[in-house]
Amino acid sequence: AQTVTQSQPEMSVQEAETVTLSCTYDTSESDYYLFWYKQPPSRQMILVIRQEAYKQQNATENRFSVNFQKAAKSFSLKISDSQLGDAAMYFCAYNFGNEKLTFGTGTRLTIIP
Amino acid sequence: GAVVSQHPSWVICKSGTSVKIECRSLDFQATTMFWYRQFPKQSLMLMATSNEGSKATYEQGVEKDKFLINHASLTLSTLTVTSAHPEDSSFYICSARTSGLAIHEQYFGPGTRLTVT
Repeated sequence: AQTVTQSQPEMSVQEAETVTLSCTYDTSESDYYLFWYKQPPSRQMILVIRQEAYKQQNATENRFSVNFQKAAKSFSLKISDSQLGDAAMYFCAYNFGNEKLTFGTGTRLTIIP
Repeated sequence: GAVVSQHPSWVICKSGTSVKIECRSLDFQATTMFWYRQFPKQSLMLMATSNEGSKATYEQGVEKDKFLINHASLTLSTLTVTSAHPEDSSFYICSARTSGLAIHEQYFGPGTRLTVT
């Protein structure tokens, strides 16, 4: 079974600085999708970024980028120029085919003004 | 686009009663809907997957007779918590997925907070 591991329960970063959230996963598949979701205090799940495993290029979305290391099964999220609105729980997730999403346990990110 | 709504956003019910939560896809046809449960400071736990017109597939350990899921149309799925008890108090989130190119994408509703007294 696929598993997703987020080893950092909590992280904090100074406003305007850069922070990296870690995620590793386990799968025997070669073509799959990886996601980072943000859950702010409102608890609405928001898709931050998506990576398709067959694409070698790392996905970027404005201040958010990933470091996708397929061989190492690692999928970290880098947030540049951190803003107060980035404070949230961040979940890494894996999806293969039309199956369900497998979520990590989450990382709570605090932004220090 | 790709908006999912949930109703109600917050509900209190008495122990022993049933409560229904609706999940609607507002601007797309949801061939598959998912129901999650989330305890405070924890990750999302998938309860069941439902495909339009079919019976829901429940995850191991989820009581199908207690958590009734209906996906009667391509835009509506409902979760009914039957004979609710205080331990059923939780945050329930639905998500929806369409077929085609965006099949890997799930769109989440805003969640429903259930409190059973």
